[in-house]
Amino acid sequence: AQSVAQPEDQVNVAEGNPLTVKCTYSVSGNPYLFWYVQYPNRGLQFLLKYITGDNLVKGSYGFEAEFNKSQTSFHLKKPSALVSDSALYFCAVRFLRGFQKLVFGTGTRLLVSP
Amino acid sequence: GAVVSQHPSRVICKSGTSVKIECRSLDFQATTMFWYRQFPKQSLMLMATSNEGSKATYEQGVEKDKFLINHASLTLSTLTVTSAHPEDSSFYICSASAPRGANTGELFFGEGSRLTVL
Repeated sequence: AQSVAQPEDQVNVAEGNPLTVKCTYSVSGNPYLFWYVQYPNRGLQFLLKYITGDNLVKGSYGFEAEFNKSQTSFHLKKPSALVSDSALYFCAVRFLRGFQKLVFGTGTRLLVSP
Repeated sequence: GAVVSQHPSRVICKSGTSVKIECRSLDFQATTMFWYRQFPKQSLMLMATSNEGSKATYEQGVEKDKFLINHASLTLSTLTVTSAHPEDSSFYICSASAPRGANTGELFFGEGSRLTVL
């Protein structure tokens, strides 16, 4: 079964420091992996995706993610965090049985302190 | 492009009444839309897949008669919570796959609708 795990409920980082939000996956075959961000009482916004190609994927707002097949990970990173990055981040994997259906991780709350 | 709009953003209703939530794709046609439910401090739970012109496909454990989904056109899907009860209070989010994301599963989400049942 396709699944993703986000081991951290919350990540705290000071503004200007690098941030990492972790995600590991379990899929059959080649994974289609995604990161979304959610601000309070809002829908989800797409950040980036990995389908194939370079393991380092660059996305919106300066975020990037590294696909690591040997570690089955797809961690989200940003070199320098902003207070405005504080939000809820979801990792997701495409569910093969449903062509476009996504399965989401449990989410990680990122808090960036000034 | 690829904007998905949900209405209403917030709704409060009395127990026993029905509530309809609309999801519209504003600048593209969406043959498939998805309805998610999000509990406080929890992830998104897929409720159903809405296919234009056909019956929705519900996930296991989701009551079909409770959560009625209609996808009558390529730009509109509706979720009706029938005979709502306080335990139905939640944040409901719709999403759609735009043509440019059709091959890779990228979804575009509405802003969500917060339902409170008194």
